[in-house]
This record gives sequence, C-alpha cells and structure tokens, in this order.
Amino acid sequence: GESVGLHLPTLSVQEGDNSIINCAYSNSASDYFIWYKQESGKGPQFIIDIRSNMDKRQGQRVTVLLNKTVKHLSLQIAATQPGDSAVYFCAENNDYKLSFGAGTTVTVRA
Amino acid sequence: EAGVAQSPRYKIIEKRQSVAFWCNPISGHATLYWYQQILGQGPKLLIQFQNNGVVDDSQLPKDRFSAERLKGVDSTLKIQPAKLEDSAVYLCASSLQGANTGELFFGEGSRLTVL
Repeated sequence: GESVGLHLPTLSVQEGDNSIINCAYSNSASDYFIWYKQESGKGPQFIIDIRSNMDKRQGQRVTVLLNKTVKHLSLQIAATQPGDSAVYFCAENNDYKLSFGAGTTVTVRA
Repeated sequence: EAGVAQSPRYKIIEKRQSVAFWCNPISGHATLYWYQQILGQGPKLLIQFQNNGVVDDSQLPKDRFSAERLKGVDSTLKIQPAKLEDSAVYLCASSLQGANTGELFFGEGSRLTVL
C-alpha cells in the first residue's frame, strides 16, 4: 500500500479562516517532503517543501510542520481564499522516488 | 518559460486497443517522470528517466505499458493492449535534477477513458 496518507479526505473552510491539512507517513527513512496543490483538470503544482532536518518552513501564506517523532506533517494555509479550493497532496521522497498520498479536497465557503 | 507539454489531452478507446501519449519536458530538465492518476487517488509513479536512461520502472506493467525517451528530451508512453482499469489521467513531469533535490513540474495530463 501507499506509505503516505492523509487523515481526512475532505475539508470545508470558511473564507478568511486558517486551514490545516494533515498527512501521516510510514517510512522513517524519508528525508524530503513536498506539498502539492491540484486544481481540477490540471497537474499538481508545487507549494512548499521541507527536509527532514527541519521542523518548520514558511512560505507565502503557507507553513509546513514536520514531526518526525510521530511521522506527521501538516500544511497550514493562512486566511484561506476561494482560489485555495483544490486537492492537496503530500509527497514523500524515498530512494529518489516521490510517492503521493491520496489527497485532501479543500472547499472554501464564501 | 514554457511548461511541460502533453498530448493528447483526452483520448477514448475500446479495451484491447492501443494508445500513445507524448510529453515534452521543460527545456534543460534532465529527469522526466510518468505518473498514473486514477480518479480520487494520488499520482502513482510509472517510470522515471534520467536523461535517456531509466532510473525506475518498478511499477510499470511491462506486459502492456512501454515508455521511451529518445535523445533525452521528449518521451512517449504507450499502452497496448489497453484494459478497463487503465482509465486514468497520465501525468508527465520533469525536474532539473532528481526527485530529492527540487520540485517536479507537471503537465496538465492526458485523460484516458477505456470502454
């Protein structure tokens, strides 16, 4: 089975609120993680990445947290906007291969 | 900068027929990937090329799928004969180096429907 998974398949968020998307991974040897956003009819688009020697990394309106103890990472989106509606995937690099989880569909309510 | 180009965008075939997908990666990107994305699932790696050599094809169903990357640039993915379960979006991606060193740039995908 897949080594990367997400806790919830769907997330509904009020516009302006913060979103938190969670992901659990099983391979403790994985050293690099990426969050991707996929809009309908398009390919996945890079959001932010983090290496295993870091706990936190911030981008524009997004923050990724990595907890290696429990093999968990999360993506936080500040002030969620309608354009943030999409499917979000966490991906795990292991042995130079990128494996994707099943994804969380985020819907932003006006 | 031009992105990853894929064609065709949509293809409908009957089972046991053959189909081919084409990918043109971003100029200068050494690594090229083909992923299969079944509806409601995350992308699954089929094959990974470094220049024109295969890095990983462990999840490619070799009895019916084949891929090549001639001259280390464009790539084609072929399915022959197709099965119903091959219905999916086939995503091509490229990266400057390997998957552990930077982001992958994806094309918009080729949606295959097998009837």
